[in-house]
Amino acid sequence: DSGVTQTPKHLITATGQRVTLRCSPRSGDLSVYWYQQSLDQGLQFLIQYYNGEERAKGNILERFSAQQFPDLHSELNLSSLELGDSALYFCASSRSGDSGANVLTFGAGSRLTVL
Amino acid sequence: ELKVEQNPLFLSMQEGKNYTIYCNYSTTSDRLYWYRQDPGKSLESLFVLLSNGAVKQEGRLMASLDTKARLSTLHITAAVHDLSATYFCAVEAQKLVFGQGTRLTINP
Repeated sequence: DSGVTQTPKHLITATGQRVTLRCSPRSGDLSVYWYQQSLDQGLQFLIQYYNGEERAKGNILERFSAQQFPDLHSELNLSSLELGDSALYFCASSRSGDSGANVLTFGAGSRLTVL
Repeated sequence: ELKVEQNPLFLSMQEGKNYTIYCNYSTTSDRLYWYRQDPGKSLESLFVLLSNGAVKQEGRLMASLDTKARLSTLHITAAVHDLSATYFCAVEAQKLVFGQGTRLTINP
């Protein structure tokens, strides 16, 4: 157990639907990151939050949004789902924002299947 | 935009052999990380390299960083089956960008 908790572990839904993925970071970590892993695109950085504020943005689609709450947990919202959104979504956390070694601790992932 | 490229992407090798995975990146950075992912599992941190010439070793794995060449290597010595996994390098420049991963299969 890495200390980063992601729910749900598996999710099957239909095109056009909306889902929310949840992540609780490791105790003491202030940064949360979301990554999408698919066979053809590899591991793609979506977004980072640090202590509730958006810190960096990657290849996140407009249909996707995220936030980090005061208790530091984060949610990734995926809407108007398409078949191509099927992937493994990882959350990771780290202690620092951007200085020093920034080793990410990954959760087990949420596998999303869009039918 | 930062690009991180690994090669090879697939590597099948025999136990007892040595091999090297290469990680090239496109912009200046002095923070490079190596992660391991077992099939169906999450990513696990292996090494953190924070300066030019940094070398880290853990068991049969050794990682090095040459920031001038924008190159990191992960060397596997006398491979064993347990090292079969996908290995990712990741470079930090405002955000952490991962390479495509190298799927390593070690055969008895």
